[in-house]
Amino acid sequence: QKEVEQDPGPLSVPEGAIVSLNCTYSNSAFQYFMWYRQYSRKGPELLMYTYSSGNKEDGRFTAQVDKSSKYISLFIRDSQPSDSATYLCAGGANGAGNNRKLIWGLGTSLAVNP
Amino acid sequence: DSGVTQTPKHLITATGQRVTLRCSPRSGDLSVYWYQQSLDQGLQFLIQYYNGEERAKGNILERFSAQQFPDLHSELNLSSLELGDSALYFCASSTTAGTSGTDTQYFGPGTRLTVL
Repeated sequence: QKEVEQDPGPLSVPEGAIVSLNCTYSNSAFQYFMWYRQYSRKGPELLMYTYSSGNKEDGRFTAQVDKSSKYISLFIRDSQPSDSATYLCAGGANGAGNNRKLIWGLGTSLAVNP
Repeated sequence: DSGVTQTPKHLITATGQRVTLRCSPRSGDLSVYWYQQSLDQGLQFLIQYYNGEERAKGNILERFSAQQFPDLHSELNLSSLELGDSALYFCASSTTAGTSGTDTQYFGPGTRLTVL
């Protein structure tokens, strides 16, 4: 079992829809979670990170963590065609060395259709 | 543009060969990370250097090696290449050693390696 599982999609939605992207994880040592967005032929870029359970909002994006069920979500409100990309979730733990490296999901491909 | 540069953009080579990928971090960043991305494995962390020293190691094969130079640029050397090494190789940089989870990694545009 991979430490971070993510449905690869593809997910296709109409413009303006609310998008829900999800990941599950198995490592209880994870202390923080990140969502990265990757456009085609580009490197990933950080969207949001969360440290604890609960919600974190940034504009149209909301990241949610439920540590009890080991479930993390990214919600996109009023989705735009420019949101079409692959979304990667990652989990990590504080500390030094190898204990701290990020573990990544495979990514979910999202297409927002005008 | 993240400020991280990688060369070359594309590389096509044959099995058994050796290649070197180069990365220049953002100005002021001391950490460099190398990742391999393939369709079936996703983004796999290979290795991290901080200010010239190896800081963390991931799923890096013995045929692969990396170093970070005094000017902070980094090189990833891949030798005895196999078909399965074909992938996107990303370099990322961050300001600190990355012991805090909020130390953002900024990714370069990647090098696409094709092994024939």
